[in-house]
Amino acid sequence: DQQVKQNSPSLSVQEGRISILNCDYTNSMFDYFLWYKKYPAEGPTFLISISSIKDKNEDGRFTVFLNKSAKHLSLHIVPSQPGDSAVYFCAASANSNYQLIWGAGTKLIIKP
Amino acid sequence: DTEVTQTPKHLVMGMTNKKSLKCEQHMGHRAMYWYKQKAKKPPELMFVYSYEKLSINESVPSRFSPECPNSSLLNLHLHALQPEDSALYLCASSPGGALNEKLFFGSGTQLSVL
Repeated sequence: DQQVKQNSPSLSVQEGRISILNCDYTNSMFDYFLWYKKYPAEGPTFLISISSIKDKNEDGRFTVFLNKSAKHLSLHIVPSQPGDSAVYFCAASANSNYQLIWGAGTKLIIKP
Repeated sequence: DTEVTQTPKHLVMGMTNKKSLKCEQHMGHRAMYWYKQKAKKPPELMFVYSYEKLSINESVPSRFSPECPNSSLLNLHLHALQPEDSALYLCASSPGGALNEKLFFGSGTQLSVL
């Protein structure tokens, strides 16, 4: 049973527009969420995180929104740039003794 | 130094070979991890070392043997692997021992088993 779901395997967005990547989870005990970005043949790179006590966290062009009642989070990238083309993974955790549970990833393609 | 360094970057081995993957970090992180990643799949946790002690082994076959010689080094010894073990092997570290911390990943070793 997938506890963290990224239902869009891929997403294509025009350069300069907003990219919205979505993530749904089923375990109501999850209280910490992270987004990682991965280029081919490289390790994932941490992008941004959010704790369940907040509903929004912003870092430059990247904003993560958390809707606890819907068990849904989204990553907004504004404006999208060609270097943002990568696979984005959502990950969640219940507490410090609980390993990260990863989504399957969404491949983001930024078109020039 | 904010990097996790993995060697080698690529490895091809036969099913009877013995090889080792190496990982090093000098950020003073107390937890180190081995993940396996297949194409178009998320990373799968294999092992966690916390304060140089093996704290998690995710039911990994014994042909994979981890070793943590000190707080900066992590090895993965490989023996009698199968072709289905071909994957990207990622090392990661995190500052403390909490499993939900932000992870710093290396670039990985792309392993092909023939």
